[in-house]
Amino acid sequence: GESVGLHLPTLSVQEGDNSIINCAYSNSASDYFIWYKQESGKGPQFIIDIRSNMDKRQGQRVTVLLNKTVKHLSLQIAATQPGDSAVYFCAAPKEANNLFFGTGTRLTVIP
Amino acid sequence: DTEVTQTPKHLVMGMTNKKSLKCEQHMGHRAMYWYKQKAKKPPELMFVYSYEKLSINESVPSRFSPECPNSSLLNLHLHALQPEDSALYLCASSQEVTLRNQPQHFGDGTRLSIL
Repeated sequence: GESVGLHLPTLSVQEGDNSIINCAYSNSASDYFIWYKQESGKGPQFIIDIRSNMDKRQGQRVTVLLNKTVKHLSLQIAATQPGDSAVYFCAAPKEANNLFFGTGTRLTVIP
Repeated sequence: DTEVTQTPKHLVMGMTNKKSLKCEQHMGHRAMYWYKQKAKKPPELMFVYSYEKLSINESVPSRFSPECPNSSLLNLHLHALQPEDSALYLCASSQEVTLRNQPQHFGDGTRLSIL
């Protein structure tokens, strides 16, 4: 079967520390992955994406790592800030235009 | 601010009411989507419109009726809803109709409560 899931449902970090959110997938044919951030009362906000021909991609304070061998990807947030508190979803296309979301990880930043 | 605009932000309706949710995007995107999101759960796909035509209906009950009047607008007509339909309804759009190499962009949703 196909799944995109997260190892931990919640994560608490101290402000200024780095955060790592993990995601596992089961379909080895998945070739594109997306991370979304969803703050309370808002819709999912695109953070960063990565294609399967890459192992790493960096954005502003965020890095996504893709390990195709073990079918795992992670989102790293550097110097986590209170504004980073949200639920983070990994997602991958299930079919041509059907996006499948993982279960989500709630990140709480402790001031 | 999101580039996908949804109205209203909140809606409370009775089970016999008829209401509509509206979504608008002016990014020239060719595909638009409706999702349903229950509390503490990920979004679940309901409908996909590609080039203004319905391309995916994820076995959604007929009390939900989507409509795409033009390439920038997407509506979701609601009739005879049940309390379990209370949820956050999200609209999204994408540049192309295939998601193999591009993200969807979401609105902030309509929080729907059925009395």
